[in-house]
Amino acid sequence: GENVEQHPSTLSVQEGDSAVIKCTYSDSASNYFPWYKQELGKRPQLIIDIRSNVGEKKDQRIAVTLNKTAKHFSLHITETQPEDSAVYFCAAPFGAGGTSYGKLTFGQGTILTVHP
Amino acid sequence: NAGVTQTPKFQVLKTGQSMTLQCAQDMNHNSMYWYRQDPGMGLRLIYYSASEGTTDKGEVPNGYNVSRLNKREFSLRLESAAPSQTSVYFCASSGRGGYGYTFGSGTRLTVV
Repeated sequence: GENVEQHPSTLSVQEGDSAVIKCTYSDSASNYFPWYKQELGKRPQLIIDIRSNVGEKKDQRIAVTLNKTAKHFSLHITETQPEDSAVYFCAAPFGAGGTSYGKLTFGQGTILTVHP
Repeated sequence: NAGVTQTPKFQVLKTGQSMTLQCAQDMNHNSMYWYRQDPGMGLRLIYYSASEGTTDKGEVPNGYNVSRLNKREFSLRLESAAPSQTSVYFCASSGRGGYGYTFGSGTRLTVV
C-alpha cells in the first residue's frame, strides 16, 4: 500500500512569510495528490489538488508542486495570514491501480501557526 | 445541498456497548469511506465502499463493521466498544478515482 510521509510536523511563521510543507509517497502508480486544511474542531477540507500530468498548480496564495521522479509534492502558501493557521494534510491514493479505487492515504499532518 | 451528513456529533459509550454511526451523502458519489483521527496519527482508513454493494477493509478495521445500505448511505458499527476506539470518526465520499473527497463534520466518540 501507499506510504505518505509529511514534513515538518509543526511550522511557525510570521504573518506575511511563506510556508512550505513537503510530502513524499511510495507508490509510483499514484497520480492524484490533494491537500486538506483542518481548522480546530472542524472537518478536513480540500484546498488544492494536482494530477500527475502537471508539475505545478496555483490558486491565489497557495500552490502545489509535484516531482514524480523524486516522488514528492509540496504545498506552498505565500503571504501567510493568521487565518491560515490550521493543520494541513497531504494525501495520495493507494491500492491496486493507483487511483482506481479512490482510497487516500494521508500524511501525519503539519500544524501551521501564523503569528500576527 | 448538504454534502456529507454524519450523526451523531458526540457520543459517550461504556465499554462493551454497541452503536452505529450514520453517514449519508447527496453528491451522487460512488465511493464512501470511514476514517478515524487520533492525535498525532493523522487520518486512518477503517473501511471503504468503492461502489454500492461492495465494502472492503482499510488500514484499521478490527472492532468495526460497515454496511453500504444504498448509494447514499454508509454506516459504521461498533459491536463491543473498547477505550481504544475513543477517537474522532469522519465519513467521506468521493467520485471516481478519489477525486473530490468530501468529509462529514465528524463524530467525537468517547468510550469509558
